[in-house]
Amino acid sequence: GDSVTQMEGPVTLSEEAFLTINCTYTATGYPSLFWYVQYPGEGLQLLLKATKADDKGSNKGFEATYRKETTSFHLEKGSVQVSDSAVYFCALSKFTASKLTFGTGTRLQVTL
Amino acid sequence: EAGVTQFPSHSVIEKGQTVTLRCDPISGHDNLYWYRRVMGKEIKFLLHFVKESKQDESGMPNNRFLAERTGGTYSTLKVQPAELEDSGVYFCASSQVGSPKGLYEQYFGPGTRLTVT
Repeated sequence: GDSVTQMEGPVTLSEEAFLTINCTYTATGYPSLFWYVQYPGEGLQLLLKATKADDKGSNKGFEATYRKETTSFHLEKGSVQVSDSAVYFCALSKFTASKLTFGTGTRLQVTL
Repeated sequence: EAGVTQFPSHSVIEKGQTVTLRCDPISGHDNLYWYRRVMGKEIKFLLHFVKESKQDESGMPNNRFLAERTGGTYSTLKVQPAELEDSGVYFCASSQVGSPKGLYEQYFGPGTRLTVT
């Protein structure tokens, strides 16, 4: 079946450091890919998405590129802030309005 | 616009008891989803409603779990009887049919943390 694998956390960075959270997927066909973020005490929020190969999703300084050849969708940010501390989930969806398949989540802790 | 709300935020029950979780989707959203995250693992899909109909219930773990969405508005998820392995965070999400974005973004609630002792 479909699956998503993301790097183990926690990831601890100093403010203004470069962030990469790796995400790879296994799925037949052409899934859509997502990054969701969960801030403390809140629900999941869609951070960015990409619906086809080579698409780049971006939001709030975060970026991820849909790489079909490597089945990857790595999340990057050039300069993290303390306010970026949260749990980040990579996910895929096979069809419009269908279920999301999530990875295990990666906790990011940014310190001053 | 109010977001997806869930009640209660936290529930602690003993093994064998019954618990009912409630989800109120965003008004006008026909799609409603239940997910669960157990012990820091991945968030797993439980089921999907379109209005009051179950579109996909392939993720429901067993017949101790019963989901309803009468009238196509709010939904309940009942666990009866609860077992220790049911502990986790239960998320609800909703999305809108016919979104102009072309892809039905799912909006999540804050979750209900269920602890079975």
